[in-house]
Amino acid sequence: EVQLLESGGGLVQPGGSLRLSCAASGFTFSSYAMSWVRQAPGKGLEWVSAISGSGGSTYYADSVKGRFTISRDNAKNSLYLQMNSLRAEDTAVYYCAKVTQRWGWYFDLWGRGTLVTVSS
Amino acid sequence: AIQMTQSPSSLSASVGDRVTITCRASQDIGSDLSWYQQKPGRAPKLLIFGASNLQSGVPSRFSGSGSGTDFTLTIGSLQPEDFATYYCLHDYNYPRTFGQGTTVEIK
Repeated sequence: EVQLLESGGGLVQPGGSLRLSCAASGFTFSSYAMSWVRQAPGKGLEWVSAISGSGGSTYYADSVKGRFTISRDNAKNSLYLQMNSLRAEDTAVYYCAKVTQRWGWYFDLWGRGTLVTVSS
Repeated sequence: AIQMTQSPSSLSASVGDRVTITCRASQDIGSDLSWYQQKPGRAPKLLIFGASNLQSGVPSRFSGSGSGTDFTLTIGSLQPEDFATYYCLHDYNYPRTFGQGTTVEIK
């Protein structure tokens, strides 16, 4: 079955760190760029970061640049998001998404999300 | 960063209505736009890519149009399962940005 499954969310204090994981199955993981998208409670979608299929190129939203690091392990079919110096405004559901680059660049597969709560 | 502005922010419509949602980019993005549907508590779902290409499995009552700075998502005949929030996303450059969303509610 083609799916993405996020894990690693939870409650963390401001200034703390957390590492999210996304396990992919059902497709050739290394052939696709991947991305993280988040959604604060009651708010809209916000693109966070993206990584190429090889892992050689990474991109970040200004709001997380310098604090978050995206990475992947193609041997393990896994995507990661290392989040440091967390702030209250980072509280959100974090989705991992598969990118297809054919007649565009778009998210054609999403995970169910993992909730990150930053609070003291 | 490119700003994406959707209108309206919300709308009320009845089953069978034709619904149009617009998305405006702050600069020319060609056809580098996709549309997503999200229901409460669920992950988003891809509807349209490349501004006008219907994703496989998505009902044909959904259509997308536009290029440059102005884009439209149209639901030809609104069905009960279409009540949701819709987002546009540009992929012209980084950072990617979503529109703020349009919520379609039952009248």
